[in-house]
Amino acid sequence: QQPVQSPQAVILREGEDAVINCSSSKALYSVHWYRQKHGEAPVFLMILLKGGEQKGHEKISASFNEKKQQSSLYLTASQLSYSGTYFCGTAFSGGYNKLIFGAGTRLAVHP
Amino acid sequence: GAGVSQSPSNKVTEKGKDVELRCDPISGHTALYWYRQSLGQGLEFLIYFQGNSAPDKSGLPSDRFSAERTGGSVSTLTIQRTQQEDSAVYLCASSLLNQGIAQYFGPGTRLTVL
Repeated sequence: QQPVQSPQAVILREGEDAVINCSSSKALYSVHWYRQKHGEAPVFLMILLKGGEQKGHEKISASFNEKKQQSSLYLTASQLSYSGTYFCGTAFSGGYNKLIFGAGTRLAVHP
Repeated sequence: GAGVSQSPSNKVTEKGKDVELRCDPISGHTALYWYRQSLGQGLEFLIYFQGNSAPDKSGLPSDRFSAERTGGSVSTLTIQRTQQEDSAVYLCASSLLNQGIAQYFGPGTRLTVL
């Protein structure tokens, strides 16, 4: 049931873009995206509910393709502060908010 | 306002000892969750509370693990007879409702079992 995140790691120069994917083999109710910096708690970025909507947060946005049971996180014009590990947490249809997290995608942004 | 707080921030214990980890959720948040994160790994769901009830304990690894929540607020995760494989960061999160609502995480308790 654990969602699959890809890629496992990304290295960027400041200003470059990246896409992180989160795929599930089971029907999703919602997808939650978090960013965690080393030694810190995960920080909430955004939630996408089933319906294929896209949301934005500064230069970070995400989409949810219900047909594919996949969510993608888009990082545009990356900044040094974007570095960290990105996790998607998935909640399944009919359930409450128990989240099953992917293994994470490590993002490093260099000057 | 205050975020989720957890105590202690670090706990070192000897194998076989019991430990208690505490979580203070954001005031007014009815849902509370415990997760475990092993070194370099993702977050593993342990248990969920709605109010003082725990409708889902499916993630607890063994009967050595238990949790309770009192007054719809503070929660305690207890690990009895700790084992080395219990070493991890234990994270607590809370949310206002249960479906489709953001979970806000505390800083975690780093547990080391020697």
